[in-house]
Amino acid sequence: GAGVSQSPSNKVTEKGKDVELRCDPISGHTALYWYRQSLGQGLEFLIYFQGNSAPDKSGLPSDRFSAERTGGSVSTLTIQRTQQEDSAVYLCASSSWDTSYEQYFGPGTRLTVT
Amino acid sequence: QKEVEQDPGPLSVPEGAIVSLNCTYSNSAFQYFMWYRQYSRKGPELLMYTYSSGNKEDGRFTAQVDKSSKYISLFIRDSQPSDSATYLCAMSGWDAGNMLTFGGGTRLMVKP
Repeated sequence: GAGVSQSPSNKVTEKGKDVELRCDPISGHTALYWYRQSLGQGLEFLIYFQGNSAPDKSGLPSDRFSAERTGGSVSTLTIQRTQQEDSAVYLCASSSWDTSYEQYFGPGTRLTVT
Repeated sequence: QKEVEQDPGPLSVPEGAIVSLNCTYSNSAFQYFMWYRQYSRKGPELLMYTYSSGNKEDGRFTAQVDKSSKYISLFIRDSQPSDSATYLCAMSGWDAGNMLTFGGGTRLMVKP
């Protein structure tokens, strides 16, 4: 079946602009996660959605980062007033509600802030 | 100190060798231990997961977990050039949140 999809695959933006990254999880997966992968920091958790529960935002690095999930499916990660240190690969993963250890990742969005 | 430590490598081995990849961790709340493979410019791909201590085998791959030592391993038998990738260990636990905590990854190169 179809895996996790993300768009765009690459995004170049100027410092100070806002960006939106999209994630489409595996059909039927109620849990959705955003991670960030950068050279110096490895793979870091950002935010987690589970069904209709309040999201776990404990990994968001600043209030410039936000995410929403509409209709329990597609999610959008928004970064406002982008900074150069936001340059990274943003990865989305999904899982069934009861197997959070079995997360499947999308291909990622490579964000470059110039 | 990071919660999960992993030697970054690179680890270079000849084709057919047995490869041993390892991670150590500090959080006793971790109960699930995963190994992901990531090719260049691709997303991580789940190879296998193990619950608590013990061994698990899947084809050429064997995962071992020793919770008493907070040490996990992935063994690859009969390594192939197509195994060349970065291998990431990841961990989670009900008391540690549902998110995965990753090691930094080990880059493996299998030479023909």
